[in-house]
Amino acid sequence: AQSVTQLDSQVPVFEEAPVELRCNYSSSVSVYLFWYVQYPNQGLQLLLKYLSGSTLVKGINGFEAEFNKSQTSFHLRKPSVHISDTAEYFCAVASNSGYALNFGKGTSLLVTP
Amino acid sequence: EAGVAQSPRYKIIEKRQSVAFWCNPISGHATLYWYQQILGQGPKLLIQFQNNGVVDDSQLPKDRFSAERLKGVDSTLKIQPAKLEDSAVYLCASSLDSASTDTQYFGPGTRLTVL
Repeated sequence: AQSVTQLDSQVPVFEEAPVELRCNYSSSVSVYLFWYVQYPNQGLQLLLKYLSGSTLVKGINGFEAEFNKSQTSFHLRKPSVHISDTAEYFCAVASNSGYALNFGKGTSLLVTP
Repeated sequence: EAGVAQSPRYKIIEKRQSVAFWCNPISGHATLYWYQQILGQGPKLLIQFQNNGVVDDSQLPKDRFSAERLKGVDSTLKIQPAKLEDSAVYLCASSLDSASTDTQYFGPGTRLTVL
């Protein structure tokens, strides 16, 4: 089975500062990795996903993530955050032989002026 | 393109009552998922349908939860009887197919409070 650990439950950051949200996964098979964002009172929206190929994945809203197989990590980064990036961010993993997404507990990103 | 629709958005019930949630996936999406998201946690898959057949219901508490997807389109999730620990947001998602690489599109969810 696959699992995900999001190392920070809350990340406060000032507007225009860089941010990194950390995600580590555990799996005995090859995996696919995802980052989803959940704005208040809305459903989850896909930010980006890693399936294969280049380990640096670019997503929407200026976010990017890097797959590191040796460190079993998939950290999400943005060089300069906006107030509108305030939301809950979820890392998720799926195996290449299964169907279900296994989500982490989420990281709450709070951007302040 | 219309997104995943869910209703109701909010529901408050007493324990031991029954409740039902409805989901309309994106048109043409063969796969439909129901997730339970308890406060402070990530979504947990309850059940996955491929068209109108069940692919995975291993985490569905079948003594009280049931789900169906008639005609391979809309789906309903029912809880009977509800317990306090069922308080959560119930998310419906759909994807074009069932491959784990397919993007899942989520609805806004139904927030259930059991008193």
